[in-house]
Amino acid sequence: QQPVQSPQAVILREGEDAVINCSSSKALYSVHWYRQKHGEAPIFLMILLKGGEQKGHDKISASFNEKKQQSSLYLTASQLSYSGTYFCGTERLSQGNLIFGKGTKLSVKP
Amino acid sequence: DTGVSQDPRHKITKRGQNVTFRCDPISEHNRLYWYRQTLGQGPEFLTYFQNEAQLEKSRLLSDRFSAERPKGSFSTLEIQRTEQGDSAMYLCASSFTSGRTGEQYFGPGTRLTVT
Repeated sequence: QQPVQSPQAVILREGEDAVINCSSSKALYSVHWYRQKHGEAPIFLMILLKGGEQKGHDKISASFNEKKQQSSLYLTASQLSYSGTYFCGTERLSQGNLIFGKGTKLSVKP
Repeated sequence: DTGVSQDPRHKITKRGQNVTFRCDPISEHNRLYWYRQTLGQGPEFLTYFQNEAQLEKSRLLSDRFSAERPKGSFSTLEIQRTEQGDSAMYLCASSFTSGRTGEQYFGPGTRLTVT
């Protein structure tokens, strides 16, 4: 029941856009997104609840398609600071534990 | 708010020895989680507490692993009779949950090396 993330890795130039997907074969209550830089702890980005909501802050946004049980993370006009590994964590029941995907490694080059 | 802290940051032990890690969550958080992370993988859920109650434990977790959260504050994770396969980063996270799962704040982790 581990969610599947795609792509596994992506390389961008500064200013380019990227989309990271997270899919589950099971019905989800919520999807959480985190970014982890090498040697550091994961940092929370946002939570999407079932109901198909969409959220965003700055130039990072995300959506949750309840019918497809898929969440997408959108990074627009990427900056060097966006580099890192992005993980989605899925929650099947309200107030349950998170199951994380294997991550998507994003590298932003100048 | 000093964030989530973990101690020690690094631990090297010989196979067969017992080790214990400590996690101090953000003070107002009622939930505390333990994860294990190996290179190139996402955090793997181990167990979590709400206040002092251990609500869930991964079925993949060996009975050599035990966790406690006395008084609902700090938590300890003990691994008995360590094996080389236990080598990993052990992450602790905390959250405030009321009605739905809140965002989790991770600590810096304890890197365990079993020789």
